[in-house]
Amino acid sequence: QKEVEQDPGPLSVPEGAIVSLNCTYSNSAFQYFMWYRQYSRKGPELLMYTYSSGNKEDGRFTAQVDKSSKYISLFIRDSQPSDSATYLCAKYNFNKFYFGSGTKLNVKP
Amino acid sequence: GAVVSQHPSRVICKSGTSVKIECRSLDFQATTMFWYRQFPKKSLMLMATSNEGSKATYEQGVEKDKFLINHASLTLSTLTVTSAHPEDSSFYICSARSSLNTEAFFGQGTRLTVV
Repeated sequence: QKEVEQDPGPLSVPEGAIVSLNCTYSNSAFQYFMWYRQYSRKGPELLMYTYSSGNKEDGRFTAQVDKSSKYISLFIRDSQPSDSATYLCAKYNFNKFYFGSGTKLNVKP
Repeated sequence: GAVVSQHPSRVICKSGTSVKIECRSLDFQATTMFWYRQFPKKSLMLMATSNEGSKATYEQGVEKDKFLINHASLTLSTLTVTSAHPEDSSFYICSARSSLNTEAFFGQGTRLTVV
């Protein structure tokens, strides 16, 4: 079983839609969770970072962690064409990062 | 967020030659650096982890004699692909984190093409 599982998509939504990106993870050892955004042919960019269960909000982005079900989500409100990218979820523990396979998002104007 | 600069962004080399990729943390001390390889439409594949002043720890299946990693200072790590072959063509990305934070920041990536 992979440490982090992520639906690869692609996910296509109209501009202004609410986007929900999801990952599940295994191994409940002490760990942190992150969401990265990667544009084509670029390195990933850190969007959100959280440790505890619950929600963390930053502008149009909300990261949610449910440790009881081992589920992490990223919500994007009022999605824009510039949000079109691949989104990677990741968890960190013991000096190692585990990445999901990435979900490709396309926001249509 | 913190800035990690990776250079070059793109390189083409002849088969059999060596290529060096640099990864620099510009505004923080990177006690740990990670090197990844990414195939088209695939996720990041960790190649090795390096701590400043120590030998790199390579993931299973990664040839340490082929992919030489040096992390000699708190702001610089290098990956040298030795005797490159066309199958080494890929997108290589570094990331760095400090001992003060958990999150890692990525460089822009290097597109290596071996002809």
